[in-house]
Amino acid sequence: GIQVEQSPPDLILQEGANSTLRCNFSDSVNNLQWFHQNPWGQLINLFYIPSGTKQNGRLSATTVATERYSLLYISSSQTTDSGVYFCAGRQTSGSRLTFGEGTQLTVNP
Amino acid sequence: DAGVTQSPTHLIKTRGQHVTLRCSPISGHKSVSWYQQVLGQGPQFIFQYYEKEERGRGNFPDRFSARQFPNYSSELNVNALLLGDSALYLCASSFNRGQETQYFGPGTRLLVL
Repeated sequence: GIQVEQSPPDLILQEGANSTLRCNFSDSVNNLQWFHQNPWGQLINLFYIPSGTKQNGRLSATTVATERYSLLYISSSQTTDSGVYFCAGRQTSGSRLTFGEGTQLTVNP
Repeated sequence: DAGVTQSPTHLIKTRGQHVTLRCSPISGHKSVSWYQQVLGQGPQFIFQYYEKEERGRGNFPDRFSARQFPNYSSELNVNALLLGDSALYLCASSFNRGQETQYFGPGTRLLVL
């Protein structure tokens, strides 16, 4: 199966700062999702982005499928952005989403 | 519209016992997948069911089994519980078994003592 590497593992920001989270895949995927896991464990869908760029408010994501990586941008961070961010991908012939180990984001007031 | 629902929310069992976790997908979704998330790690794939048939299985022992019912809801069963089975169990649904967004439920927290 594929390997998913996320960086950085931990990130501490002051409110208002911008950040970039990265996700690298060991092989091609054609299903790629970004999630935010809240303190209660709920995985909240942020983006379904197998390729290209999408934006939703202060968040945006870019996937370069040919180079097997994806980036999640958070602008003007707020304390409510704190939590763990996961990326996950699935290969064409596969049935499973393979997750990275996550990026723990802490936004301080 | 209701999202993915799971029950129970929390569960405490002792080693050797059996547990059944339940999941109801989003209305109209035909595929259900199960994931195990151990503290500090990303979710790990256990099973995918589509149209009541197993379509994929992760690297988990035979103590783990699942099924999908005609209304597309699903059960995950774990026999002979071990301490290491303590985790958050997540259910995800999607319309098809193909390449589209998976939506996750709130999870069941299982503690094995």
